[in-house]
Amino acid sequence: EIVLTQSPATLSLSPGERATLSCRASQTVSKYLAWYQQKPAQAPRLLIYGVSNRATGIPARFSGSGSGTDFTLTISSLEPEDFAVYFCQHRANWPPIFTFGPGTKVDIK
Amino acid sequence: QVQLVESGGGVVQPGRSLRLSCVASGFILSSSGMHWVRQAPGKGLEWVAVTSNDGSTTFYIDSVKGRFTISRDDSKNTVFLEMSSLRVEDTALYYCAKARPGSSFFEPDHWGQGTLVTVSS
Repeated sequence: EIVLTQSPATLSLSPGERATLSCRASQTVSKYLAWYQQKPAQAPRLLIYGVSNRATGIPARFSGSGSGTDFTLTISSLEPEDFAVYFCQHRANWPPIFTFGPGTKVDIK
Repeated sequence: QVQLVESGGGVVQPGRSLRLSCVASGFILSSSGMHWVRQAPGKGLEWVAVTSNDGSTTFYIDSVKGRFTISRDDSKNTVFLEMSSLRVEDTALYYCAKARPGSSFFEPDHWGQGTLVTVSS
């Protein structure tokens, strides 16, 4: 069973700064690595799928990268609406079992 | 636009059953895999189950296997999660979510607002 860990648990930044969020897998994972954003009292929103593909309507300031066991979500310049919790998610090849990381909270410094 | 509306949550005693429903609109349900994902109060996300677009294939997280059943009635644009032998640790907000187009088993790309299930004596 693959375990995802995210770091840091909390990231305190100011608007305009660059955010770098890490997701590490306990073993080499497939290309099915996604990132979600969740704001308080809202459902999650898909940001990135397939490691580096932005979902429909997601601004270009969000980008995903990585391979093997280490993946990164980068927000190039934080907007006020980007302060939220971010989860990475992996899907096993087969059977297609999905696992979420514990999340990184990006809050305002 | 895609809309998913869950219902059926509530307070239930341990060992009892509950059926959640998710009414879909704004897309062709019969072409989409569908997921249930849950979130315990103040906690992270936990994927629960997925069904293929035709309902013939389903997968579950180990902790709910044999207790939960995901199903669908495309004629009613509805996906269900039948939950039995409920445990205190099943307490969570349950989200219905649509799989990203291209495969029934792609990750969720649209989510409902969730329905709260509380298991307590």
